[in-house]
This record gives sequence, structure tokens and C-alpha cells, in this order.
Amino acid sequence: DQQVKQNSPSLSVQEGRISILNCDYTNSMFDYFLWYKKYPAEGPTFLISISSIKDKNEDGRFTVFLNKSAKHLSLHIVPSQPGDSAVYFCATNTNAGKSTFGDGTTLTVKP
Amino acid sequence: NAGVTQTPKFQVLKTGQSMTLQCAQDMNHEYMSWYRQDPGMGLRLIHYSVGAGITDQGEVPNGYNVSRSTTEDFPLRLLSAAPSQTSVYFCASSFSGVGQPQHFGDGTRLSIL
Repeated sequence: DQQVKQNSPSLSVQEGRISILNCDYTNSMFDYFLWYKKYPAEGPTFLISISSIKDKNEDGRFTVFLNKSAKHLSLHIVPSQPGDSAVYFCATNTNAGKSTFGDGTTLTVKP
Repeated sequence: NAGVTQTPKFQVLKTGQSMTLQCAQDMNHEYMSWYRQDPGMGLRLIHYSVGAGITDQGEVPNGYNVSRSTTEDFPLRLLSAAPSQTSVYFCASSFSGVGQPQHFGDGTRLSIL
């Protein structure tokens, strides 16, 4: 049973528009949610996180929203840039050594 | 400013061979983990460690061994390689505590023939 699900394998948006990446989870006991970004032939890099006691966290062009009742979180990128084209992973973190990752969403931002 | 260093970057093995994937970090992180990523899938946790001398199993530990004798190093050993272990392997480290982001190496691409 997959505890973290990213149901959209891919997303394509136009440069300058908003990108919305979604993630659903099953365990209401998760304390933290993190988003990572991954370019080909590189390891994932941390992007932004949110605690389960908050419903929004913003960092520049990136905002993560958490809806605990729906067990759903989303990552908004505004405005999207071609350099944002990458695979985005949603992850949970109840123990810093033991994270659970979704399968990822490949974002393509077209110039 | 090396961060997390994984060696080798690429490796081809024959079925039944053994090998060790190396991982080192220079950030004095307490936590270290090994993941594998198969095509179209997310990262699955193999083994993790919360400090020197302490290791535990993750989601997919079978066929792999780890040890952590120092804070800096966390090698992953394949005991008898199988084609099902063909994957990209990532090592990660972080400070202790919930919510701490993990820092990843660039991965080892392993093929088992």
C-alpha cells in the first residue's frame, strides 16, 4: 500500500504560467511533508517543506499548501520557468532517516 | 564543499558477484540512508542509520547489508548481485530531527547482467 501518491506522472505548462503539482497521503500521523526536485543524472535536492500544523508555506516562487482533512498537499510554482523542468517528488518525514517518497511528477515548462 | 559523495558513479556486475557502494558525507550529519530508484518509481528506502553503530532496515532491505562505523561513511554491500538489483542507488544524509531535509549524492547507476 503506497502511503504517498502522486497521481500525475507528468505535467506540461507554458513559461510564466502556474504549475500545480499534487500529492496525496494515507497516514494522518505524518509530521512533515517535503518536496524535492530532481534533474537527470543528479540526486534529488530539497525544495520546500511544511509542518503538519501549518496549511501553507511560501518560499519565493514556490508555495506548498496542506489540506489535512483531505490528506492532500500541492506545490504551486508561479511563475514557471524553463529551468523548473525536472521531476518533483513529494515525501513524508516522521523520522529524518526514514522518509517515504511518491513516484514523482515530471514537469515540463515550455518557453 | 563536497556534501554527499557516492562512488562509483557507474558499475556493471555479473549475477552472483558482490560489491560495495561507497557513501561519504562531510556535513557531520547524524542520519544517513540508502535508497534505490527504479524507472518510473520513487525512491524506496533500503537501510538507514541514525548514528554511528546504529542501523535499521527500510522498505526493501533484502540482498543488502550496511554498517556505520563512523559518522561520515555509510557503505552499502550487495552480497550476491541479482538482475532485480539493477537500479540507481542514492545515498542521503541529514541532521537529526523530524522535518530535516535530506542531502543526496548524485547516485550510482548499477547494472546486473
